[in-house]
Amino acid sequence: RKEVEQDPGPFNVPEGATVAFNCTYSNSASQSFFWYRQDCRKEPKLLMSVYSSGNEDGRFTAQLNRASQYISLLIRDSKLSDSATYLCAVNRGAAGNKLTFGGGTRVLVKP
Amino acid sequence: SQTIHQWPATLVQPVGSPLSLECTVEGTSNPNLYWYRQAAGRGLQLLFYSVGIGQISSEVPQNLSASRPQDRQFILSSKKLLLSDSGFYLCALTWDRETQYFGPGTRLLVL
Repeated sequence: RKEVEQDPGPFNVPEGATVAFNCTYSNSASQSFFWYRQDCRKEPKLLMSVYSSGNEDGRFTAQLNRASQYISLLIRDSKLSDSATYLCAVNRGAAGNKLTFGGGTRVLVKP
Repeated sequence: SQTIHQWPATLVQPVGSPLSLECTVEGTSNPNLYWYRQAAGRGLQLLFYSVGIGQISSEVPQNLSASRPQDRQFILSSKKLLLSDSGFYLCALTWDRETQYFGPGTRLLVL
C-alpha cells in the first residue's frame, strides 16, 4: 500500500457544482496534512493546512478523519479557474519536517 | 515573505553530461530546504533535504547529490546524467511549523 493515495481522476465538474475527493494515508502517527494546488507545468501552491478535524477557506473545505485515515477536500460553487491537479501531502512525523505527497487528483471544471 | 529562486527554468542536457541546479532563498534565515523531482504524470519524490549548512540527508539512492554551501543556497548536482533523470525539479523550504513552499522549478530533459 502506498503511503499516500489519491484518485487520479479526472473529476469532470460542471461550473457551479460541488466536488469532493479524498486522500488516504497509511502512517497513523501523522499529525499534519496539506492540500496543494498544481497548475500544468507549474509548482505546487499551498491551498490549505489541516491540523485538527478540518479547515475552511472560502469555497474550499478540508476535513480530517483520523479513524479512517483520510483527508478530504470539498470545493463548492466550482469556477473554471479551479481546474488543476490537487495534491495531498502528509507529514511523516519524523525529523526534518518531511512530507509525503500523493499522486494528485485532477479536476476539470467545465462551462 | 520568503522567496525561492531557481534557475534555469528549462534545461536540455545530453546523457552523460554533468548537472548543477541552484536554489536560493530570500526573506528567511535557517530554513529547512528540500529537493523534489516530479516525473511526467507522476507525484513528487523527495530527493534530499537539509536542516542547515553542510547538512544533507538523502532520501533515494541515485546518481544525484546535493550541497548547501550557504544558509540560503541549495545545489543539486550530478556527474553523469541518465535518461531517467528527466523531470521537474522543485526546491522547497519550511520556515515555520511544517508548511512547505515551492520554488518555480527547473524542467530538465535528458536526451
